[in-house]
Amino acid sequence: QKEVEQNSGPLSVPEGAIASLNCTYSDRVSQSFFWYRQYSGKSPELIMSIYSNGDKEDGRFTAQLNKASQYVSLLIRDSQPSDSATYLCAVSLSSGTYKYIFGTGTRLKVLA
Amino acid sequence: DTGVSQDPRHKITKRGQNVTFRCDPISEHNRLYWYRQTLGQGPEFLTYFQNEAQLEKSRLLSDRFSAERPKGSFSTLEIQRTEQGDSAMYLCASSTTRQGETQYFGPGTRLLVL
Repeated sequence: QKEVEQNSGPLSVPEGAIASLNCTYSDRVSQSFFWYRQYSGKSPELIMSIYSNGDKEDGRFTAQLNKASQYVSLLIRDSQPSDSATYLCAVSLSSGTYKYIFGTGTRLKVLA
Repeated sequence: DTGVSQDPRHKITKRGQNVTFRCDPISEHNRLYWYRQTLGQGPEFLTYFQNEAQLEKSRLLSDRFSAERPKGSFSTLEIQRTEQGDSAMYLCASSTTRQGETQYFGPGTRLLVL
């Protein structure tokens, strides 16, 4: 079992719709969770971090964390063509290490 | 903050040659990380430094790879005797406790080994 799993996609949504991206992780004591956006040929760009169960909103983005289910998601409201990118889920494991474990990413296509 | 910078941005080399990449972290970020990313995959952790100390290395980091951060500021990643399988994007990130150890990435160095 991979430590961090994401559906590779592509996930296609029409412009203006809500895009829902999901991520599961295997280490039950993981503490910190991050979503990065990566355009083709570019480096990852931080969108959001989340540390506690529940929802965290930032503009059009909402991250949701459920530690009991080992699940973290990212909702993108009013999706725009410029949101078309690969979305990487990253998990910081148990205390004592600061490295991130990344999923393979979900490719999102927003259709105009 | 000017962001994490990496140099060079692109490197083409022949198999068997040595290459060295440089990373300058965000100023005052005491932790610095190296990752490697191949097409269709997420970044894979290679190693990280806290100040000048190299605290963790991945099993991916063979003995052909070495990283340094001599004064706790910039870092270098050297690959000796490059192989075609080393072709990848090499990403550097930095973090600080003051920002919750959130990692900010540089633009990456894209390596092609012919």
